[in-house]
Amino acid sequence: DSGVTQTPKHLITATGQRVTLRCSPRSGDLSVYWYQQSLDQGLQFLIQYYNGEERAKGNILERFSAQQFPDLHSELNLSSLELGDSALYFCASTRQANYGYTFGSGTRLTVV
Amino acid sequence: QQQVKQSPQSLIVQKGGISIINCAYENTAFDYFPWYQQFPGKGPALLIAIRPDVSEKKEGRFTISFNKSAKQFSLHIMDSQPGDSATYFCAASNPGNQFYFGTGTSLTVIP
Repeated sequence: DSGVTQTPKHLITATGQRVTLRCSPRSGDLSVYWYQQSLDQGLQFLIQYYNGEERAKGNILERFSAQQFPDLHSELNLSSLELGDSALYFCASTRQANYGYTFGSGTRLTVV
Repeated sequence: QQQVKQSPQSLIVQKGGISIINCAYENTAFDYFPWYQQFPGKGPALLIAIRPDVSEKKEGRFTISFNKSAKQFSLHIMDSQPGDSATYFCAASNPGNQFYFGTGTSLTVIP
């Protein structure tokens, strides 16, 4: 157990729907990062939050949004889902700059 | 644009052999270079990392070699074992702690 908790582990939904992925960082970690991993794209950075505030954005679609709550857990909202959104979504947290990420075990999203 | 280029895409090594995975970067602002190991169905796990003030770091059978002037770094796995079969990602981060990952190398160690 890495200490980063992601729920749910698996999610199957239809095109056009909206889902919410949840991440609880390791205790004491203020930064949360979201990544998308698909077979042909590797690990793609989506967005970073630090202590409740958005810090950096990567290749995140406008249909996707995220937030970090006062208790530091984070949610990634994916809407108007398309088949191409099927992927593994990872959350990672870190305590300080220049320190390795700790990844959660991911949420596997399948859009049918 | 891929900030960190990783090769090879896949690698097959005999048990006991040396596995070598290479990465290259362009951004000289990167100051932290980790390697992650990922098993199927699991999240990537930090394996070993190096900062640019040293040229080599060794932890057990895993060694990172770092060439700052060439902007390249590599992972060497000595005495490779079937349990090392996994996907390996190199990464680089800037002072803002944003990480850029390579595209991954699928390593298979044959018994």
